[in-house]
Amino acid sequence: EVQLVESGGGLVQPGGSLRLSCAGSGFTFSSYWLTWVRQAPGKGLEWVANIKHDGGEKYYVDSVKGRFTVSRDNVKNSVYLQMNSLRAEDTAVYYCARAHGFATFWGQGTLVTVSS
Amino acid sequence: DIQMTQSPSSLSASVGDRVTITCRASQGISNSLAWYQQKPEKAPKSLIFDASGLYSGVPSRFSGSGSGTDFTLTINSLQPEDFATYFCQQYKTYPFTFGQGTKLEI
Repeated sequence: EVQLVESGGGLVQPGGSLRLSCAGSGFTFSSYWLTWVRQAPGKGLEWVANIKHDGGEKYYVDSVKGRFTVSRDNVKNSVYLQMNSLRAEDTAVYYCARAHGFATFWGQGTLVTVSS
Repeated sequence: DIQMTQSPSSLSASVGDRVTITCRASQGISNSLAWYQQKPEKAPKSLIFDASGLYSGVPSRFSGSGSGTDFTLTINSLQPEDFATYFCQQYKTYPFTFGQGTKLEI
Protein backbone atom coordinates (compact mmCIF):
# COMPACT_ATOMS: atom_id res chain seq x y z
CA GLU A 1 0.00 0.00 0.00
CA VAL A 2 1.34 3.40 -1.00
CA GLN A 3 1.75 5.73 1.96
CA LEU A 4 3.06 9.26 2.42
CA VAL A 5 3.21 10.49 6.00
CA GLU A 6 4.08 14.09 6.79
CA SER A 7 5.42 15.30 10.10
CA GLY A 8 7.11 18.32 11.61
CA GLY A 9 4.32 20.85 11.59
CA GLY A 10 3.53 23.06 14.54
CA LEU A 11 3.38 26.58 15.88
CA VAL A 12 6.30 28.86 15.08
CA GLN A 13 6.87 32.58 15.51
CA PRO A 14 7.25 34.91 12.53
CA GLY A 15 10.83 34.82 11.32
CA GLY A 16 11.34 31.33 12.68
CA SER A 17 12.18 28.05 10.98
CA LEU A 18 10.60 24.64 10.67
CA ARG A 19 11.53 21.46 8.83
CA LEU A 20 8.79 19.26 7.44
CA SER A 21 9.38 15.61 6.64
CA CYS A 22 7.44 13.21 4.46
CA ALA A 23 8.14 9.49 4.64
CA GLY A 24 7.12 7.31 1.74
CA SER A 25 6.46 3.58 1.64
CA GLY A 26 4.83 1.00 -0.59
CA PHE A 27 6.52 2.20 -3.76
CA THR A 28 9.99 2.69 -5.25
CA PHE A 29 10.61 6.07 -3.68
CA SER A 30 13.73 6.87 -5.68
CA SER A 31 11.82 6.60 -8.98
CA TYR A 32 9.39 9.44 -8.36
CA TRP A 33 9.33 13.19 -8.33
CA LEU A 34 7.85 14.52 -5.10
CA THR A 35 5.91 17.70 -4.51
CA TRP A 36 4.83 19.95 -1.66
CA VAL A 37 1.42 21.62 -1.89
CA ARG A 38 -0.10 23.84 0.79
CA GLN A 39 -3.56 25.02 1.72
CA ALA A 40 -4.16 28.05 3.91
CA PRO A 41 -7.17 27.78 6.25
CA GLY A 42 -10.36 28.00 4.24
CA LYS A 43 -8.46 28.63 1.01
CA GLY A 44 -7.48 26.75 -2.13
CA LEU A 45 -4.48 24.65 -3.01
CA GLU A 46 -1.10 26.23 -3.74
CA TRP A 47 1.78 24.36 -5.38
CA VAL A 48 4.95 25.08 -3.38
CA ALA A 49 7.88 23.06 -4.68
CA ASN A 50 8.95 19.81 -6.27
CA ILE A 51 12.10 17.73 -6.55
CA LYS A 52 13.29 15.22 -9.12
CA HIS A 53 13.98 11.54 -8.38
CA ASP A 54 17.66 12.12 -7.76
CA GLY A 55 17.35 15.58 -6.27
CA GLY A 56 19.03 17.06 -9.33
CA GLU A 57 16.20 19.45 -10.18
CA LYS A 58 14.12 21.55 -7.83
CA TYR A 59 11.47 24.15 -8.53
CA TYR A 60 9.69 26.62 -6.26
CA VAL A 61 6.82 29.06 -6.32
CA ASP A 62 8.13 32.62 -6.23
CA SER A 63 6.66 33.39 -2.80
CA VAL A 64 8.98 30.86 -1.11
CA LYS A 65 12.12 31.17 -3.21
CA GLY A 66 15.12 31.96 -1.04
CA ARG A 67 13.25 30.95 2.12
CA PHE A 68 12.23 27.31 1.55
CA THR A 69 14.45 24.43 0.45
CA VAL A 70 13.23 21.04 -0.72
CA SER A 71 15.51 18.02 -0.38
CA ARG A 72 15.26 14.26 -0.27
CA ASP A 73 17.03 11.19 1.08
CA ASN A 74 16.31 8.17 -1.08
CA VAL A 75 17.95 5.86 1.46
CA LYS A 76 15.52 6.99 4.14
CA ASN A 77 12.65 7.25 1.62
CA SER A 78 11.97 10.77 2.78
CA VAL A 79 11.50 14.22 1.36
CA TYR A 80 11.93 17.39 3.36
CA LEU A 81 10.88 21.02 3.26
CA GLN A 82 13.13 23.36 5.20
CA MET A 83 11.21 26.55 5.84
CA ASN A 84 13.07 29.64 7.05
CA SER A 85 12.03 33.25 7.63
CA LEU A 86 8.46 32.12 8.11
CA ARG A 87 5.64 34.61 7.68
CA ALA A 88 2.02 34.64 8.80
CA GLU A 89 0.97 33.96 5.21
CA ASP A 90 2.85 30.64 5.30
CA THR A 91 0.24 29.32 7.73
CA ALA A 92 -1.30 26.31 6.01
CA VAL A 93 -1.68 22.58 5.88
CA TYR A 94 1.30 21.26 3.94
CA TYR A 95 0.75 18.17 1.82
CA CYS A 96 3.39 15.94 0.36
CA ALA A 97 2.42 14.32 -2.93
CA ARG A 98 3.90 11.77 -5.27
CA ALA A 99 3.95 13.99 -8.29
CA HIS A 100 5.89 15.64 -11.03
CA GLY A 101 2.91 17.43 -12.54
CA PHE A 102 -0.14 15.29 -11.83
CA ALA A 103 -0.25 14.06 -8.24
CA THR A 104 -0.89 10.34 -8.12
CA PHE A 105 -0.91 10.06 -4.35
CA TRP A 106 -1.22 12.48 -1.40
CA GLY A 107 -0.21 12.42 2.22
CA GLN A 108 -2.63 13.46 4.94
CA GLY A 109 -0.96 16.82 5.55
CA THR A 110 0.70 18.60 8.47
CA LEU A 111 -0.40 21.96 9.86
CA VAL A 112 2.05 24.85 10.11
CA THR A 113 0.92 27.89 12.07
CA VAL A 114 3.03 31.04 12.02
CA SER A 115 1.96 33.34 14.80
CA SER A 116 3.34 35.27 17.74
CA ASP B 1 2.49 32.66 -13.95
CA ILE B 2 -0.43 30.91 -15.61
CA GLN B 3 -3.73 31.82 -13.96
CA MET B 4 -6.36 29.13 -13.69
CA THR B 5 -9.96 30.33 -13.36
CA GLN B 6 -12.74 27.95 -12.43
CA SER B 7 -16.44 28.54 -12.85
CA PRO B 8 -18.70 28.49 -11.11
CA SER B 9 -17.19 29.02 -7.65
CA SER B 10 -20.08 27.10 -6.15
CA LEU B 11 -22.79 24.92 -7.55
CA SER B 12 -25.95 23.42 -6.10
CA ALA B 13 -27.15 20.11 -7.50
CA SER B 14 -29.08 16.99 -6.58
CA VAL B 15 -28.30 13.32 -6.54
CA GLY B 16 -28.67 11.98 -10.07
CA ASP B 17 -27.88 15.31 -11.78
CA ARG B 18 -25.22 15.86 -14.41
CA VAL B 19 -22.87 18.75 -13.62
CA THR B 20 -20.10 20.49 -15.50
CA ILE B 21 -17.28 22.56 -14.04
CA THR B 22 -15.15 24.76 -16.25
CA CYS B 23 -11.49 25.68 -15.92
CA ARG B 24 -9.82 28.31 -18.08
CA ALA B 25 -6.08 28.88 -18.36
CA SER B 26 -4.65 32.36 -18.98
CA GLN B 27 -2.48 30.89 -21.73
CA GLY B 28 -2.36 27.64 -23.64
CA ILE B 29 -1.34 24.57 -21.66
CA SER B 30 -1.98 21.88 -24.26
CA ASN B 31 -3.54 19.01 -22.28
CA SER B 32 -1.41 19.42 -19.12
CA LEU B 33 -4.37 19.67 -16.81
CA ALA B 34 -5.49 17.68 -13.77
CA TRP B 35 -8.64 17.62 -11.67
CA TYR B 36 -8.79 16.83 -7.96
CA GLN B 37 -11.61 16.33 -5.47
CA GLN B 38 -11.32 17.43 -1.86
CA LYS B 39 -13.65 16.84 1.06
CA PRO B 40 -13.50 18.90 4.27
CA GLU B 41 -10.44 18.20 6.44
CA LYS B 42 -9.18 15.61 3.97
CA ALA B 43 -6.31 15.46 1.51
CA PRO B 44 -7.18 15.95 -2.16
CA LYS B 45 -8.03 12.92 -4.24
CA SER B 46 -6.77 12.63 -7.80
CA LEU B 47 -9.40 12.27 -10.52
CA ILE B 48 -8.24 13.23 -14.02
CA PHE B 49 -4.83 13.65 -15.64
CA ASP B 50 -3.78 14.99 -19.03
CA ALA B 51 -7.18 16.70 -19.32
CA SER B 52 -9.16 13.53 -20.05
CA GLY B 53 -7.37 10.55 -18.52
CA LEU B 54 -9.34 8.83 -15.76
CA TYR B 55 -7.06 8.00 -12.83
CA SER B 56 -7.05 4.48 -11.47
CA GLY B 57 -10.03 3.65 -9.29
CA VAL B 58 -12.04 6.74 -10.21
CA PRO B 59 -15.65 5.98 -11.19
CA SER B 60 -16.50 6.30 -14.87
CA ARG B 61 -19.17 8.93 -14.14
CA PHE B 62 -16.27 11.40 -13.95
CA SER B 63 -14.88 12.66 -17.25
CA GLY B 64 -12.67 15.47 -18.43
CA SER B 65 -12.24 17.23 -21.72
CA GLY B 66 -10.54 20.19 -23.35
CA SER B 67 -7.23 21.36 -24.65
CA GLY B 68 -5.37 24.63 -24.94
CA THR B 69 -7.09 27.06 -22.58
CA ASP B 70 -10.58 25.66 -21.92
CA PHE B 71 -11.34 22.53 -19.95
CA THR B 72 -14.33 20.86 -18.35
CA LEU B 73 -14.95 18.29 -15.66
CA THR B 74 -18.26 16.49 -16.02
CA ILE B 75 -19.89 14.31 -13.39
CA ASN B 76 -22.77 12.19 -14.62
CA SER B 77 -25.44 10.91 -12.26
CA LEU B 78 -24.19 12.62 -9.10
CA GLN B 79 -23.81 10.40 -6.08
CA PRO B 80 -23.95 11.55 -2.44
CA GLU B 81 -20.19 11.04 -2.07
CA ASP B 82 -19.49 13.46 -4.96
CA PHE B 83 -20.44 16.54 -2.95
CA ALA B 84 -17.06 18.13 -2.39
CA THR B 85 -14.76 20.86 -3.71
CA TYR B 86 -13.05 20.36 -7.06
CA PHE B 87 -9.77 21.93 -8.18
CA CYS B 88 -8.08 22.07 -11.56
CA GLN B 89 -4.29 22.31 -11.88
CA GLN B 90 -2.00 23.09 -14.81
CA TYR B 91 1.36 21.40 -15.02
CA LYS B 92 2.57 22.78 -18.33
CA THR B 93 4.73 25.58 -16.93
CA TYR B 94 6.35 26.28 -13.58
CA PRO B 95 5.07 27.29 -11.14
CA PHE B 96 2.29 24.75 -11.46
CA THR B 97 -0.93 26.49 -10.48
CA PHE B 98 -4.38 25.54 -9.23
CA GLY B 99 -7.78 27.00 -9.86
CA GLN B 100 -9.56 28.56 -6.90
CA GLY B 101 -11.94 25.64 -6.50
CA THR B 102 -15.59 24.85 -7.16
CA LYS B 103 -17.73 23.80 -4.21
CA LEU B 104 -20.41 21.33 -5.21
CA GLU B 105 -23.27 21.38 -2.74
CA ILE B 106 -26.60 19.68 -2.40
